[in-house]
Amino acid sequence: LAKTTQPISMDSYEGQEVNITCSHNNIATNDYITWYQQFPSQGPRFIIQGYKTKVTNEVASLFIPADRKSSTLSLPRVSLSDTAVYYCLVASSGGYNKLIFGAGTRLAVHP
Amino acid sequence: KAGVTQTPRYLIKTRGQQVTLSCSPISGHRSVSWYQQTPGQGLQFLFEYFSETQRNKGNFPGRFSGRQFSNSRSEMNVSTLELGDSALYLCASSTRQEETQYFGPGTRLLVL
Repeated sequence: LAKTTQPISMDSYEGQEVNITCSHNNIATNDYITWYQQFPSQGPRFIIQGYKTKVTNEVASLFIPADRKSSTLSLPRVSLSDTAVYYCLVASSGGYNKLIFGAGTRLAVHP
Repeated sequence: KAGVTQTPRYLIKTRGQQVTLSCSPISGHRSVSWYQQTPGQGLQFLFEYFSETQRNKGNFPGRFSGRQFSNSRSEMNVSTLELGDSALYLCASSTRQEETQYFGPGTRLLVL
């Protein structure tokens, strides 16, 4: 499974857009990119998943360049409740059920 | 549709005891995976069950075991508890191996 690298922490303010970039230089052809959000003492919550280009849902957008060696999670107009740890993972068929989590990015949103 | 449920939510045990944690997946999900989360090691994969068979196993000692029932519910057992087993134990389910995993709220285990 491809290893991911993302910033350890980020700070933002309410109402701003936050972009968290993840590097996955060894991503395989059949790997998907998935982002999870985790609040303290809770299970990770699925945010978004993509293979290439751009994916958008009601919570976030995921931008994936053509070479797929990185991806950017975009959170529009963050609020205090978006303070959490965000994990970027890559996994392929047969690997989704054996996720390898990195340290994640600890996002702190300030008033 | 109800999410993944885990019981109990909190548990206190003493060293040497054993513990059994339960996970009920989302209806229709047949794959159940277990993870351990500690401040020092982060989120680590324990094992995965699909159709009552263990298909993947992480790098944990044999004291950690699990099983899955015909209704896809799963249990994990930890025998001879050690202080280092104190952690948040998370269960996740998916429809097939290829699908997104959805996590439960976790069971917080404290070993004294």
